[in-house]
Amino acid sequence: GAVVSQHPSRVICKSGTSVKIECRSLDFQATTMFWYRQFPKQSLMLMATSNEGSKATYEQGVEKDKFLINHASLTLSTLTVTSAHPEDSSFYICSARGAGGETYEQYFGPGTRLTVT
Amino acid sequence: GDSVTQMEGPVTLSEEAFLTINCTYTATGYPSLFWYVQYPGEGLQLLLKATKADDKGSNKGFEATYRKETTSFHLEKGSVQVSDSAVYFCALSAGGSEKLVFGKGTKLTVNP
Repeated sequence: GAVVSQHPSRVICKSGTSVKIECRSLDFQATTMFWYRQFPKQSLMLMATSNEGSKATYEQGVEKDKFLINHASLTLSTLTVTSAHPEDSSFYICSARGAGGETYEQYFGPGTRLTVT
Repeated sequence: GDSVTQMEGPVTLSEEAFLTINCTYTATGYPSLFWYVQYPGEGLQLLLKATKADDKGSNKGFEATYRKETTSFHLEKGSVQVSDSAVYFCALSAGGSEKLVFGKGTKLTVNP
């Protein structure tokens, strides 16, 4: 089946630094990738949708200058949390979707735990 | 706006017990409904889905029926196994949107 990986699985960074999270579709081409944020005991909240080669579409309330999303290839999207602060600590999950057929549904990565100290 | 409400967890059952996890939704139009499962240390996986009223989604012994009159999509399994221990998420996509709206998730633990 379709596999999506994320790297790193967990990261600790100091306040004010930036951190990049990678999302890769390993065995299919992902025309669309989604980034979610999950707080403890809360549902996944969609942050943004990115299509390969174009700018990401951010959900209301998500700061595009703080959460930079790049989807430069059909197998890789990155989320960069810039000038991170403790309130950015969360679990970030990506999903990827192909152009059609059985890859039209979203396939999820295992998530990245970000802790900002 | 669109929303999904699912029963609070955690749920703890003995092996071979009957499972029900309730899920209700609010949406404009006729949404598609999904159940996702997240095993420890893994990403969410689509468990089953239903795209129109009265459809029944089923997979791995799990079932859920799209009930438009009660706006519900309850997940059921007749006999759970230890390997079913995971977090289960109910979700919808509405109005032809590709976006998924998730419930908060219900953690299920099955004891031998």
